[in-house]
Amino acid sequence: KAGVTQTPRYLIKTRGQQVTLSCSPISGHRSVSWYQQTPGQGLQFLFEYFSETQRNKGNFPGRFSGRQFSNSRSEMNVSTLELGDSALYLCASSSLAGAGFNEQFFGPGTRLTVL
Amino acid sequence: DAKTTQPNSMESNEEEPVHLPCNHSTISGTDYIHWYRQLPSQGPEYVIHGLTSNVNNRMASLAIAEDRKSSTLILHRATLRDAAVYYCILRDGNTGNQFYFGTGTSLTVIP
Repeated sequence: KAGVTQTPRYLIKTRGQQVTLSCSPISGHRSVSWYQQTPGQGLQFLFEYFSETQRNKGNFPGRFSGRQFSNSRSEMNVSTLELGDSALYLCASSSLAGAGFNEQFFGPGTRLTVL
Repeated sequence: DAKTTQPNSMESNEEEPVHLPCNHSTISGTDYIHWYRQLPSQGPEYVIHGLTSNVNNRMASLAIAEDRKSSTLILHRATLRDAAVYYCILRDGNTGNQFYFGTGTSLTVIP
């Protein structure tokens, strides 16, 4: 099985712009979660989608949004980019929803740089 | 999710066992203990998980204290490829698939 794929791998934007990141989960996985990783804050949960519905959301401003399509692929969007949004954005997929024992499979991430 | 406490860094010699500790004194009865690791320039990868009993898999062993307030990830023979940041995470099955990562332990393997 192919792993979780994320596109693009690297992205450079300027302040005020918006950006859309894409994630394709492992085939058959219906849960997709997004995380932001920065040197200062570490790995932080953004949101989770399951069967096209947002199930959980982390503590991030409304500029961060996401969606999931019927084929389980997910996108996240950041509007009005700020310098502090520079980070590695990670996507993770899982076959089950909300089970404490199931593992998540992470993609390689998208490195976003905001100038 | 309950919080975990791990040492910031540890060192190990190659080919020797490594014991990575994790404290989770506020763990609840339904929290699973997960370990993930993140190699440089990669996303985190699953290592092992458990609920109450010790667990073994091809990568590692997980030893869980009887009161479940602490656990230890054991790498039986450290290799250079095991150099990574190791995260201990508690997950409640009722709250969805989000992980709350702490700062993790950065493991250095000395050849």
